[in-house]
Amino acid sequence: GENVEQHPSTLSVQEGDSAVIKCTYSDSASNYFPWYKQELGKRPQLIIDIRSNVGEKKDQRIAVTLNKTAKHFSLHITETQPEDSAVYFCAASPTGNQFYFGTGTSLTVIP
Amino acid sequence: GAVVSQHPSWVICKSGTSVKIECRSLDFQATTMFWYRQFPKQSLMLMATSNEGSKATYEQGVEKDKFLINHASLTLSTLTVTSAHPEDSSFYICSARQGGDEQYFGPGTRLTVT
Repeated sequence: GENVEQHPSTLSVQEGDSAVIKCTYSDSASNYFPWYKQELGKRPQLIIDIRSNVGEKKDQRIAVTLNKTAKHFSLHITETQPEDSAVYFCAASPTGNQFYFGTGTSLTVIP
Repeated sequence: GAVVSQHPSWVICKSGTSVKIECRSLDFQATTMFWYRQFPKQSLMLMATSNEGSKATYEQGVEKDKFLINHASLTLSTLTVTSAHPEDSSFYICSARQGGDEQYFGPGTRLTVT
């Protein structure tokens, strides 16, 4: 099955700096890569996603890049704010009916 | 829109008993529902995928006789943990998908088996 690895497990940045979280996947059939934000005690929320026919996608301060050849994708958050502090999960979906999650990155934005 | 609820939010049961967790899509019809297990400070582990009216597809290593999943309607899926043991204690989260890519998560159910 698919194996998704995520790094780093924890990340601290100063407010206003950028944060980058990286994921790799193993199944070349994976074609959909969502990113979720989970605040403490809350449910995961989709923040951005990308399909394998696209190399980059941007939504305001958040962007995701995908390198199909290398089987890795990254989340970029610019101009970080304290409210960005949360756990972020990447996921890969090879069939659309299965989602395999990375191990999560706990992001802390220091005011 | 796209609200998913779970019930109960927290349940404590004795070892050997069964417990049922409900997952409902409140304002949309869910063609597919997913069940995940999340350990403290860890990732979500996909347990099974269910489509309305058909049998659930279980991930490798998940005992289908222990974790019974029923997707009886387009708005309801249930997970029954049978003969629960302390090692089944965990946070169970469901998600539902309407037809596109995005899945909407429920708030989760914390199961404690004593």
